[in-house]
Amino acid sequence: AQSVTQLDSHVSVSEGTPVLLRCNYSSSYSPSLFWYVQHPNKGLQLLLKYTSAATLVKGINGFEAEFKKSETSFHLTKPSAHMSDAAEYFCVVSDGTDKLIFGTGTRLQVFP
Amino acid sequence: AAGVIQSPRHLIKEKRETATLKCYPIPRHDTVYWYQQGPGQDPQFLISFYEKMQSDKGSIPDRFSAQQFSDYHSELNMSSLELGDSALYFCASSLVGNSGANVLTFGAGSRLTVL
Repeated sequence: AQSVTQLDSHVSVSEGTPVLLRCNYSSSYSPSLFWYVQHPNKGLQLLLKYTSAATLVKGINGFEAEFKKSETSFHLTKPSAHMSDAAEYFCVVSDGTDKLIFGTGTRLQVFP
Repeated sequence: AAGVIQSPRHLIKEKRETATLKCYPIPRHDTVYWYQQGPGQDPQFLISFYEKMQSDKGSIPDRFSAQQFSDYHSELNMSSLELGDSALYFCASSLVGNSGANVLTFGAGSRLTVL
């Protein structure tokens, strides 16, 4: 069965400093992995996706994630946080069908 | 670009009442998904439809039913509402068969409050 584990429920950074949101996955075969962002009272927006092509995936708003099979990780990073990045971030795996399996989310706070 | 449209955005009902949520997928998308996100929880898959047929079923209560119509819009019907049904309900759509991973586009959600 597919699953994802987000290692931090909350992450706090100062504006202009790097962001690291950690995600480990469990999959019996080559997974499709995604990061979604949810701003307060808003829907879910796709940040980026990994589909067995390049292991370093670039997404929107300066975010990127690296697929590391040896570590079963798909951590999300951004070199410099912006106040508008404050949101809930979900690491997501596809179970091989169309169904998405969400992690429990990481709340990112950005301080001025 | 057109997105996934959900209505209503907010809905308040009392226990044991019935609620209906509507979802209009992105034009030409053939698959619709429903997810439920409880307060402080991650979204949980409820049900999906491909070409108007149920394609997968998750943790959807028997009190809930859904269908996809000929125009591809979908409705989620919830009966005998319970306090625990209070949640944000997301609809998503996709076009199955595209190369690469199937990417879901989510709507803004419908917030149901059961009093």
